[in-house]
Amino acid sequence: SAVISQKPSRDICQRGTSLTIQCQVDSQVTMMFWYRQQPGQSLTLIATANQGSEATYESGFVIDKFPISRPNLTFSTLTVSNMSPEDSSIYLCSVGGGTQAEAFFGQGTRLTVV
Amino acid sequence: KQEVTQIPAALSVPEGENLVLNCSFTDSAIYNLQWFRQDPGKGLTSLLLIQSSQREQTSGRLNASLDKSSGRSTLYIAASQPGDSATYLCAVRQRGSTLGRLYFGRGTQLTVWP
Repeated sequence: SAVISQKPSRDICQRGTSLTIQCQVDSQVTMMFWYRQQPGQSLTLIATANQGSEATYESGFVIDKFPISRPNLTFSTLTVSNMSPEDSSIYLCSVGGGTQAEAFFGQGTRLTVV
Repeated sequence: KQEVTQIPAALSVPEGENLVLNCSFTDSAIYNLQWFRQDPGKGLTSLLLIQSSQREQTSGRLNASLDKSSGRSTLYIAASQPGDSATYLCAVRQRGSTLGRLYFGRGTQLTVWP
């Protein structure tokens, strides 16, 4: 299994500002995933982050709004830029990219934009 | 596009009852199905992973079954306890999609009262 540490666990931010969320894994992984969970909704994939290449974004998500870094095989960051109240969600990072692999999640970042 | 549905959306039971949570998916071309638990405002904890070639998996009081051809999975919780109160999510890893990407249902919110 993988242990994932995600920071911060929660934050309250002013609209128009940006927040960077960090995700640290206790082992080297090829693929890391970032999900968003809006209030009362299920998880939606934002992007897939592979080390050494640009992140791949899902439909409806763009790099200017959600820039992602993946500097090495154990770490990734997601930035939520120019925030609005609609960005208030739980953001989660995940690992487990093989076809048979079990997926593991961080404890999430609860973001409130006021 | 894969769609995952969970029924019921919410369930409230007294302690000691045996429970069945249901998950259905529209595309049976999956690698595996995974059940998670999510406590309020927190990340996801993996409970059980069933590969597409398997019929069921057991862990303690939890038993998950998979009928891939009919697009269904059930999570059986025996002798429920107040500590089981949480939201239970199922997710499938679909063949042909972004490797490692999961499709989630909206979850079943379970309350077990003493």
